[in-house]
Amino acid sequence: NAGVTQTPKFRVLKTGQSMTLLCAQDMNHEYMYWYRQDPGMGLRLIHYSVGEGTTAKGEVPDGYNVSRLKKQNFLLGLESAAPSQTSVYFCASSPFGVTYEQYFGPGTRLTVT
Amino acid sequence: SQQGEEDPQALSIQEGENATMNCSYKTSINNLQWYRQNSGRGLVHLILIRSNEREKHSGRLRVTLDTSKKSSSLLITASRAADTASYFCATDSLGQKLVFGQGTRLTINP
Repeated sequence: NAGVTQTPKFRVLKTGQSMTLLCAQDMNHEYMYWYRQDPGMGLRLIHYSVGEGTTAKGEVPDGYNVSRLKKQNFLLGLESAAPSQTSVYFCASSPFGVTYEQYFGPGTRLTVT
Repeated sequence: SQQGEEDPQALSIQEGENATMNCSYKTSINNLQWYRQNSGRGLVHLILIRSNEREKHSGRLRVTLDTSKKSSSLLITASRAADTASYFCATDSLGQKLVFGQGTRLTINP
């Protein structure tokens, strides 16, 4: 099992450009999450999904969109990147939500200039 | 807003010593989880403790939970160089979401 994988690992964008981060899991988990981590801070939830075809807003959703067309994939989109979105992005999955552990991907380091 | 607050923010000890990290939170919780993050990597789950539990062990890890004081502690015994990492607590009082603290950075010196 690969677990949770994220693509790409690194990316540099110019302000105003768009991109999509891909998260894939092979554990048949229902729940998937996108977090961002900034220096000296814990993780903040951007969006999450409780199953295929569902999405919901987290703590810091502005400037991001998500889609969960297939159970194993959770996409995070930035339509018009801003320097404030420079961060490390982590995807996670869980079989039954927050009452169980979350499995994290290795992260995507995004820099917006 | 952060629900969990870890203390201390940074901790440096000698190999073989015990390390204790604390987490305080503001509102009632269903469960509390501890995660480890090695530099440049994703988080790895360590222990989940439910609100009706007071103590839990996993290998060299011991977690306590005091719901009356809204606090938890993570004890790592007989520390090793490989334990060098950041440690985060996370609480689930907000329904379907986990809220993470800002973490404790632990350094084990050889």
